[in-house]
Amino acid sequence: KQEVTQIPAALSVPEGENLVLNCSFTDSAIYNLQWFRQDPGKGLTSLLLIQSSQREQTSGRLNASLDKSSGRSTLYIAASQPGDSATYLCAVRRGFQKLVFGTGTRLLVSP
Amino acid sequence: GAGVSQSPSNKVTEKGKDVELRCDPISGHTALYWYRQSLGQGLEFLIYFQGNSAPDKSGLPSDRFSAERTGGSVSTLTIQRTQQEDSAVYLCASSSQGGDNQPQHFGDGTRLSIL
Repeated sequence: KQEVTQIPAALSVPEGENLVLNCSFTDSAIYNLQWFRQDPGKGLTSLLLIQSSQREQTSGRLNASLDKSSGRSTLYIAASQPGDSATYLCAVRRGFQKLVFGTGTRLLVSP
Repeated sequence: GAGVSQSPSNKVTEKGKDVELRCDPISGHTALYWYRQSLGQGLEFLIYFQGNSAPDKSGLPSDRFSAERTGGSVSTLTIQRTQQEDSAVYLCASSSQGGDNQPQHFGDGTRLSIL
């Protein structure tokens, strides 16, 4: 059974810092990994999707890497801003099956 | 619409009542998913529809839960004889196909509270 874990569970940083969120999964036979953010009371916003054949994806200040063999992914946020405050979730997918979500990291960026 | 639309956004009901939650996926998306997000459980898969294929119901927690998708578009999740443990946010997602290379796009969810 696939299990996805995210570390840390919560993170508080001052504005401007670069930060790394971690995601690990137990079954490396995945097709892709997706990073989401969730604002309070809202649904999930897709940030980045990395196919199993890819090593990383970049979008603006966000960079996600994937090491499938070791079962790890990281989300790097550069020059953090208060607007980045949210819960960040990673999820892995295998074929036509559902996403299996991680436990999430609650990020607070202080002005 | 441009995104996945869910209604109602909030629902409060008494224990034992039936509830229906609605999801309008992004136009043209053939794959539709229901998830549940509850405190202490994180996000759990419930059911998956892909085109005209039989749905994957493997995540439904009990036979009180059912879902249908009419005309390959709108989906309704029904919970019968609601229990307090059904209180959660129910999220719907769609993707342009059920394959492995398309991201899932989520609605804002329905927050269900069972009194």
